[in-house]
Amino acid sequence: DSGVTQTPKHLITATGQRVTLRCSPRSGDLSVYWYQQSLDQGLQFLIQYYNGEERAKGNILERFSAQQFPDLHSELNLSSLELGDSALYFCASSVHGGEQFFGPGTRLTVL
Amino acid sequence: GQQVMQIPQYQHVQEGEDFTTYCNSSTTLSNIQWYKQRPGGHPVFLIQLVKSGEVKKQKRLTFQFGEAKKNSSLHITATQTTDVGTYFCAGYTGTASKLTFGTGTRLQVTL
Repeated sequence: DSGVTQTPKHLITATGQRVTLRCSPRSGDLSVYWYQQSLDQGLQFLIQYYNGEERAKGNILERFSAQQFPDLHSELNLSSLELGDSALYFCASSVHGGEQFFGPGTRLTVL
Repeated sequence: GQQVMQIPQYQHVQEGEDFTTYCNSSTTLSNIQWYKQRPGGHPVFLIQLVKSGEVKKQKRLTFQFGEAKKNSSLHITATQTTDVGTYFCAGYTGTASKLTFGTGTRLQVTL
């Protein structure tokens, strides 16, 4: 158990819909990272927040957005969903830089 | 942008054989991390290397960071079935705060 929690574990939705994925970092970690992992693919970095502020952006689509709240939990919002958005979405946390602790992931299926 | 490639993509070995995965970055890295992802699981941090030419060992695993800090390797001696999974390298560049993951090497070990 990494100490990072993600909800929900699974999400099935239809094209065009909007979903929110939630992540609670390890106690004391100020940085939260979001990654997308498609079937048999590597980890694509989406976005990083540090203590409530956006710190780095990867290949995140304009349809996707994220935020980190004062209690340090984070949400990833995915809108106008397409079939190709089906993937595992991981959240990770760290103190700042260094070792990242990954949550169990949310498996999103878009039908 | 920064690219991190790993070879091979996939390797199948008999238990007891050695295994090596190689990681190559298009840019110089400030440090390199290695993660292991078991089938159906999430990435788990293994180690971080920071110095040019650094070599670190963890039991049967040997990690190396290249002199130019653009490549790295992970060698497993006498593989066991518990070594099954995908091994990712990941690196930070000096100015970027995002961790770029390699393409991964999937290891299958059979008896």
